[in-house]
Amino acid sequence: GQNIDQPTEMTATEGAIVQINCTYQTSGFNGLFWYQQHAGEAPTFLSYNVLDGLEEKGRFSSFLSRSKGYSYLLLKELQMKDSASYLCAQFNQAGTALIFGKGTTLSVSS
Amino acid sequence: DVKVTQSSRYLVKRTGEKVFLECVQDMDHENMFWYRQDPGLGLRLIYFSYDVKMKEKGDIPEGYSVSREKKERFSLILESASTNQTSMYLCASSGTGTLQETQYFGPGTRLLVL
Repeated sequence: GQNIDQPTEMTATEGAIVQINCTYQTSGFNGLFWYQQHAGEAPTFLSYNVLDGLEEKGRFSSFLSRSKGYSYLLLKELQMKDSASYLCAQFNQAGTALIFGKGTTLSVSS
Repeated sequence: DVKVTQSSRYLVKRTGEKVFLECVQDMDHENMFWYRQDPGLGLRLIYFSYDVKMKEKGDIPEGYSVSREKKERFSLILESASTNQTSMYLCASSGTGTLQETQYFGPGTRLLVL
């Protein structure tokens, strides 16, 4: 099956910058998603990268390198409310549904 | 804003019961999905549908069936609930065109099977 790997847990302090990495299978690639999920809630869409490079959206940026099968989510000026699980996802080989990584739980402390 | 709703936030059922989980979206999306989410396993796709009355198996369809009689509604059915189906169930929908569109999730149903 498709393997999407991301760290299980990360910790950081308010105001800091954190980078959450994701590696994925490159065959049949059709874009990479990042979702945020607060405990007990549904995942919410953060970003979708299809082309190489960095895309910035406010405090959050997402980077993609298709040749390396690598993406990262960069969170700047961390706030307590950023404590959540961050899910990396890509389409399956058929392009019909998303395959998710197991998520990275980020804990932001004061 | 896309709105995906699920019939229950929390549900408790007994082993052997037939369970219906309902999902409704209000954005005229063609595609709808059912996932389950378990600690350490992440989100796994159960079934999806790309049109009314159409359905496709995901990665873990065993023990489940689905129904899509209307475009806005996608139901997940547990024919005979078992304890290993205790989980968080998440419905999602995505827009028109191909299946390769951003998926929007409902709030989830936390099911406990005793």
